Amino acid sequence: DAGVIQSPRHEVTEMGQEVTLRCKPISGHDYLFWYRQTMMRGLELLIYFNNNVPIDDSGMPEDRFSAKMPNASFSTLKIQPSEPRDSAVYFCASSFNSAQYFGPGTRLLVL
Amino acid sequence: AQKITQTQPGMFVQEKEAVTLDCTYDTSDPSYGLFWYKQPSSGEMIFLIYQGSYDQQNATEGRYSLNFQKARKSANLVISASQLGDSAMYFCAMREGTGANSKLTFGKGITLSVRP
Repeated sequence: DAGVIQSPRHEVTEMGQEVTLRCKPISGHDYLFWYRQTMMRGLELLIYFNNNVPIDDSGMPEDRFSAKMPNASFSTLKIQPSEPRDSAVYFCASSFNSAQYFGPGTRLLVL
Repeated sequence: AQKITQTQPGMFVQEKEAVTLDCTYDTSDPSYGLFWYKQPSSGEMIFLIYQGSYDQQNATEGRYSLNFQKARKSANLVISASQLGDSAMYFCAMREGTGANSKLTFGKGITLSVRP
């Protein structure tokens, strides 16, 4: 079975550019999570969805960040405009009533 | 107060020996779940083991077991017969409430190094 799929795996962009991260959850999972991991702050939950509906976006750092889940098999996390402090690894995870299964992450570098 | 505390800065273990990674948690919710994840140097987060607050027995999964001491609010991970591939960062996490609230709170992690 395919796990959580994320793209791109690596992204290098310049400050001010728009960045879109993509995630395909495990089929049948009804929860989807976006996390950010940095050395300084560890793993932070940004937002999560249940049945495509955003449940808690209190972790989204500011209005530059937005996330959507138009259907059960696809979600995006967008940063516009990007800033150097957004550099991090962004993980998507999905779950069905139990453990969360993580994607491989997107390593974002904003210059 | 931190919900998940992992205070060991780094752990070393000899190959084939057992090692315990500590985790304490803080919650007033009677229903919760505890998780351990492994993050090797390649970066992916790998789910290892789960313990529910109402589970009567300690969870086990292959070489992994969870030493769950509810009164002490600890959920230590025990890895038996360590292998070189066990060298990684290990995260303890907690989910409070029922499945309707599936948000996980992670600890800061512990680095484990297995020596040959």
